[in-house]
Amino acid sequence: AQKVTQAQTEISVVEKEDVTLDCVYETRDTTYYLFWYKQPPSGELVFLIRRNSFDEQNEISGRYSWNFQKSTSSFNFTITASQVVDSAVYFCALSEAGGYNFNKFYFGSGTKLNVKP
Amino acid sequence: EAQVTQNPRYLITVTGKKLTVTCSQNMNHEYMSWYRQDPGLGLRQIYYSMNVEVTDKGDVPEGYKVSRKEKRNFPLILESPSPNQTSLYFCASRQGRGGSYEQYFGPGTRLTVT
Repeated sequence: AQKVTQAQTEISVVEKEDVTLDCVYETRDTTYYLFWYKQPPSGELVFLIRRNSFDEQNEISGRYSWNFQKSTSSFNFTITASQVVDSAVYFCALSEAGGYNFNKFYFGSGTKLNVKP
Repeated sequence: EAQVTQNPRYLITVTGKKLTVTCSQNMNHEYMSWYRQDPGLGLRQIYYSMNVEVTDKGDVPEGYKVSRKEKRNFPLILESPSPNQTSLYFCASRQGRGGSYEQYFGPGTRLTVT
């Protein structure tokens, strides 16, 4: 079973629209970490956020916000007033802190966001 | 500048010709890892290393080898590349175990095996 599911393969929006990227994860650990990375067309991976399982507070950073809900095992990412520069592939990832898998990172399949002018 | 470097950035090779992709970090990180990225599959972990001479398999280790003789270097070796190893490869490093530390990624190596 996939540990991290990003059901949206590709999303297209018009500039200034808000967009939410979904991420659903699966783990039996009580301690784990969730991440979002951005991969622009140039190909590098850009770290956006890390959240541990004990901190369910939502986070806002400029136009970016993250909604972490343990009850639904989701860690969704919203971009407000999207811009063309937000066009990229976005990955959600999970790292478990316990057991044998503490050194493993599990990535979702990614969501490609196209922001049109 | 803190960074992870990979070489080469682009490589086209033929089936069966051994190759090595180098990875080096200048942050004195203990933990290093290799991933491959394929369309629709995201990034999958190939191998990781927790310190010098300590390595372990990730989720897709078949066809790959690694070594960690020095803390800063973690080369990925393809002894006999095959076309299904055509992919985008990323090396990464972080300070310690688990997700409590940020993972730094290299710029990626695009490998094509014909």
